[in-house]
Amino acid sequence: EVQLVQSGAEVKKPGESLKISCKSSGYSFTTYWIGWVRQKPGKGLECMGIIYPGDSDTRYSPSFQGQVTISADKSISTAYLQWNSLKASDTAMYYCARVVPATKFSDYWGQGTLVTVSS
Amino acid sequence: EIVLTQSPDTLSLSPGERATLSCRASQSVSSSYLAWYQQKLGQAPSLLIYGTSNRATGIPDRFSGSGSGTDFILTISRLEPEDFAVYYCQQYGSSPPSLTFGGGTKVEIK
Repeated sequence: EVQLVQSGAEVKKPGESLKISCKSSGYSFTTYWIGWVRQKPGKGLECMGIIYPGDSDTRYSPSFQGQVTISADKSISTAYLQWNSLKASDTAMYYCARVVPATKFSDYWGQGTLVTVSS
Repeated sequence: EIVLTQSPDTLSLSPGERATLSCRASQSVSSSYLAWYQQKLGQAPSLLIYGTSNRATGIPDRFSGSGSGTDFILTISRLEPEDFAVYYCQQYGSSPPSLTFGGGTKVEIK
């Protein structure tokens, strides 16, 4: 059974750093992309970027380039989303999703990690 | 970057009615790369349709997708109570590589 299990909710202060995780199981981690999607409260879905764990090829959406870092550790089938300096505007739910290589749709999703940034 | 515009923002319908949701792209999209997702309140999105018209595993046949070029449609033939949710279209563009979502259409009970 394919599963993506994300790390738990986080409460941080502006300026702090954060790394959240997405652990995959039930399939070959290195042969699918993993995408990260942001959803601000009451708003729509935004793709932040995707990573191919097989060779760490990473593509960022223009709005998120330089704002976050996406990485993966194939030895433990886990992808990460990282911030060096959080802002209040980073408050959102973050989802990871498995992305099918050929057609780029997301067939399995994590449960989401809620990140709250507040002073 | 391709922009996807969904309409209407909200669709108010009764159970048993037909729902027609539109997704328009700012430039031509490969049909292979157009997908639809459903998101229920408090849940992660789930895949409904991929490659414009292919239903994902377990999706009932009251859901159908169609379209080409810049105009795509998601149709729910007869709304069931569990279908009231927000629906998003998504496309993948290769130059530059990017995945983008439409703004979503909320299907609410009238």
